[in-house]
Amino acid sequence: GQNIDQPTEMTATEGAIVQINCTYQTSGFNGLFWYQQHAGEAPTFLSYNVLDGLEEKGRFSSFLSRSKGYSYLLLKELQMKDSASYLCAVSDSNYQLIWGAGTKLIIKP
Amino acid sequence: SQTIHQWPATLVQPVGSPLSLECTVEGTSNPNLYWYRQAAGRGLQLLFYSVGIGQISSEVPQNLSASRPQDRQFILSSKKLLLSDSGFYLCAWNPGQGVSNEKLFFGSGTQLSVL
Repeated sequence: GQNIDQPTEMTATEGAIVQINCTYQTSGFNGLFWYQQHAGEAPTFLSYNVLDGLEEKGRFSSFLSRSKGYSYLLLKELQMKDSASYLCAVSDSNYQLIWGAGTKLIIKP
Repeated sequence: SQTIHQWPATLVQPVGSPLSLECTVEGTSNPNLYWYRQAAGRGLQLLFYSVGIGQISSEVPQNLSASRPQDRQFILSSKKLLLSDSGFYLCAWNPGQGVSNEKLFFGSGTQLSVL
């Protein structure tokens, strides 16, 4: 079967760095997405990785290792507004998105 | 610029009542359209997607149906709601005809409570 695993919840301190991991097992791979979702709101796109390596975009970076079926989202200089759920999703061989359950990130002052 | 509208934002319905959720996209043509349901502690579940007018693909058997009467309009319906239909429903679109790897743009969601 197809499976995406990510931690249910993480806590970090304002100004610090946090890494949210995602491991996947899918039938084929056409890229991995990270979305941010504030409570009660729609998910918004953060990043897309299809090749191995690190993609940096401001305070947020995303890493992919296809051989390990692994990705992480790195958030630097955490701000209170970063408190949200972070969703990992993999595009399979049919370009269908398989979604993880999301990681709820709690930022403390 | 493109925008997506989804309504209503919240809905409380009795068991056995009908449902109609509407989603429209502006500023683009021939979008791929999607309906997702999000249950607490679970990943987004794809319910339906459409690559064109009148073309609907269903991902899971269920009590719901979808229709695309116009290019940029996507409707989620039910004739008789069940308690298990409660959840957060999200409409989404991405550009292009046919399946693609373009990122999704989501509507603001509808919180449906079936009592």
